[in-house]
Amino acid sequence: DGGITQSPKYLFRKEGQNVTLSCEQNLNHDAMYWYRQDPGQGLRLIYYSQIVNDFQKGDIAEGYSVSREKKESFPLTVTSAQKNPTAFYLCASSIVALAGGHNEQFFGPGTRLTVL
Amino acid sequence: SQKIEQNSEALNIQEGKTATLTCNYTNYSPAYLQWYRQDPGRGPVFLLLIRENEKEKRKERLKVTFDTTLKQSLFHITASQPADSATYLCALDGDTGRRALTFGSGTRLQVQP
Repeated sequence: DGGITQSPKYLFRKEGQNVTLSCEQNLNHDAMYWYRQDPGQGLRLIYYSQIVNDFQKGDIAEGYSVSREKKESFPLTVTSAQKNPTAFYLCASSIVALAGGHNEQFFGPGTRLTVL
Repeated sequence: SQKIEQNSEALNIQEGKTATLTCNYTNYSPAYLQWYRQDPGRGPVFLLLIRENEKEKRKERLKVTFDTTLKQSLFHITASQPADSATYLCALDGDTGRRALTFGSGTRLQVQP
């Protein structure tokens, strides 16, 4: 059963701690993305990766870090430098479009992070 | 910078009517525009993609239009059902050189039985 998974679904962290959110896909997609969503807001791009061992900053990368050591995995670390980390985090993947443009993105179920 | 606007107020309609949602954008000329559905507490699900050279796209009860002169896309759901109640997000392909989508804030649709 192909898809994209995120774990955990709910995560609580104490202020000042780093935390890593998992994202795995078995769709054989080259591109993966991390978004943050706040209540009543749209999705804001944190980081994205078009290929293994390469990634780019999105609009709100400060306080976050990522790695892309395997095609299937794109973990996101929320560091203590992120001033307001409480949010809903969504991971997505897609086929890399040829010659520009974008294909549909497939989203995971999300991780809700709460900083206590 | 590019900006995407969707009506932040919820749209309430009666079952059976046609729902029309609007997506406006400025300072940008996207080659693609996509629409997604998001249910509370879940990830968005892709619905339709329309290219800049396409005026209209249909899929079952869904219809999307793309007017590059007005810089606007309209998303229609005909014969709406309570199960269509959700938040609908539009997304544009990113700035030149950035191969990622930019999402609007979404419009919540509530279909009353």
